[in-house]
Order: sequence, then C-alpha cells, then structure tokens
Amino acid sequence: DVKVTQSSRYLVKRTGEKVFLECVQDMDHENMFWYRQDPGLGLRLIYFSYDVKMKEKGDIPEGYSVSREKKERFSLILESASTNQTSMYLCASSFPATKGGELFFGEGSRLTVL
Amino acid sequence: QKEVEQNSGPLSVPEGAIASLNCTYSDRGSQSFFWYRQYSGKSPELIMSIYSNGDKEDGRFTAQLNKASQYVSLLIRDSQPSDSATYLCAVHNAGNNRKLIWGLGTSLAVNP
Repeated sequence: DVKVTQSSRYLVKRTGEKVFLECVQDMDHENMFWYRQDPGLGLRLIYFSYDVKMKEKGDIPEGYSVSREKKERFSLILESASTNQTSMYLCASSFPATKGGELFFGEGSRLTVL
Repeated sequence: QKEVEQNSGPLSVPEGAIASLNCTYSDRGSQSFFWYRQYSGKSPELIMSIYSNGDKEDGRFTAQLNKASQYVSLLIRDSQPSDSATYLCAVHNAGNNRKLIWGLGTSLAVNP
C-alpha cells in the first residue's frame, strides 16, 4: 500500500518558534510538494522538488524553507512561526513530468500558531 | 479571471441522481486534467485523470474533456451519500514548470 506519511497530524506552536514538518513517501517518487490549504483560498503551493537536493519556490514561499536530503523525505521548515501560518499543510508526491499531476497526498498536518 | 474556475456550490442532488461538476481553465497549453475528491477534514484523493478530448469512464465516474472550449467535467452516476465531498479540478501544463493549477473546488451534497 503506497503511502505518504506526515510526521504530525496536529501541532500547536507559539509565535517565533521554529517548526519542522516532515514528509516521507515510499513510492520512489521523484517529485515532492508542500501545499497549504485555507478556506476560500484553496491549495497553494509553497515549495516543490523534482530531485534530491533540489528545490524550487512555489507561489507562496515567504516565511518557509525546505530540505530534501534523501529522495523519500521532504521537510518544510518555518523559521519563525507567525499566526498567519496557521493552516493545514499537505505534502504530496508524484512520478516525473509525464504524470506530474497525479499526486498522492499525506494526511495533512494542522498547525496552529498562537 | 482565475486560471481554473469551479462553481463553489454547494451542489445538492438526491441519492441515485447524476451529479454534474464543471471546471473551466484559461491556459490553452494545458495537457492533463484531474479530478480530486476531498472529504471534510481529509486530504485530496485522485479519482480521475483525463488527457485527451472526449469521455473517460471509471465505474460510476465519467470525466469529459473539451479542449476547444477549455472545460472539463465530472459526472457521478447513481450518486451515493458517500460521494458527498468537495471535488477539486486540477490542470497541468508540463511546460509551465510542471506545476498543477487548482480550482477552489465544488462542494457536493448527496441527500438520502
């Protein structure tokens, strides 16, 4: 059974804290993505990666960074959490470009920043 | 104009009816089209993909693509209460940095 696993389902952090969200996939996918989803705004792409050690900014990268040291693991980092980063964070993975729209999502991490 | 547009709904249909969900897109270079289902509090799940004009059927689901008119639709036959969810349309252009463009979704309620 293929899986994308996100490390935490629910997190509560304080403003200014450093937050790590980890994502691991077991499908040997090259592509990995981090989205946030907010009511009325839909899915917004934060960062993505098409290969190990490679990363590209998505549509809303400000306040975030990522790390991809191994093919199966893609981490999202909030260097200094702020209340406007309270959201549902979704990790996804996919095969290379020919099927780049067939995403497999993790269960999501709901982050609350107080 | 949004790149991918969907009617937000809610679309309400009785059990057993056909639910019709529509999506229009603006990028004529788009090549791949996807429908994802998202239950409340859950993550999106791919249910249909379509790459060429015409219809593609998978069980009770039929995806329809018309590139000339730039729309893609999803038909759900014999709708069940378990189909109640938000349906997200996503469009992919491999030349556009391979990013998916998402609609905001249509909420579907199937009433017993």
